[in-house]
Amino acid sequence: SQELEQSPQSLIVQEGKNLTINCTSSKTLYGLYWYKQKYGEGLIFLMMLQKGGEEKSHEKITAKLDEKKQQSSLHITASQPSHAGIYLCGADLQGAQKLVFGQGTRLTINP
Amino acid sequence: DAGVIQSPRHEVTEMGQEVTLRCKPISGHNSLFWYRQTMMRGLELLIYFNNNVPIDDSGMPEDRFSAKMPNASFSTLKIQPSEPRDSAVYFCASSSWTVQETQYFGPGTRLLVL
Repeated sequence: SQELEQSPQSLIVQEGKNLTINCTSSKTLYGLYWYKQKYGEGLIFLMMLQKGGEEKSHEKITAKLDEKKQQSSLHITASQPSHAGIYLCGADLQGAQKLVFGQGTRLTINP
Repeated sequence: DAGVIQSPRHEVTEMGQEVTLRCKPISGHNSLFWYRQTMMRGLELLIYFNNNVPIDDSGMPEDRFSAKMPNASFSTLKIQPSEPRDSAVYFCASSSWTVQETQYFGPGTRLLVL
């Protein structure tokens, strides 16, 4: 969806390095969701952010929501091979249940 | 608790044939969503239901596509007749209004129309 832009489209990092993926909306965000997808599998829910300034962490993954910039970032600390996959952000742009998704960021972790 | 269940996982069919995809949402969830994922267009919402009632079908590409939810534990997405451009991965997701409306996805059905 052009309403939701992710960057970068792909990312290759060395194991142990930190990385950040961004998701920017062209409209007001009512809710922002991060998912991870492995090839041939469904989307695994990671985190949901609703309030400006909100920050959530799960293991080595931290997500933040900047309401003013209409942007969210996903940060992985000390990356591991298990972090490899496609990360998708999804957003509620209408205050309803409809989600639009970014094109995804393909993350590769080199040992 | 079992997650969202979809069947079949893979479907190969010939152009013009009818295709039926099936979904069983997570027990207790009252919203169900059908998505389509392609390389060109990414992940798109086709239709969603609340309490078995279709709420928004604006994402359904054309009349060849139809979806039903006869009860709280079952939904179908039908394509008739199928065309090669329908080849994609179709996902079903469900959510509960009591759990911050997070959508939980099934494993998907990979459809190839020859």
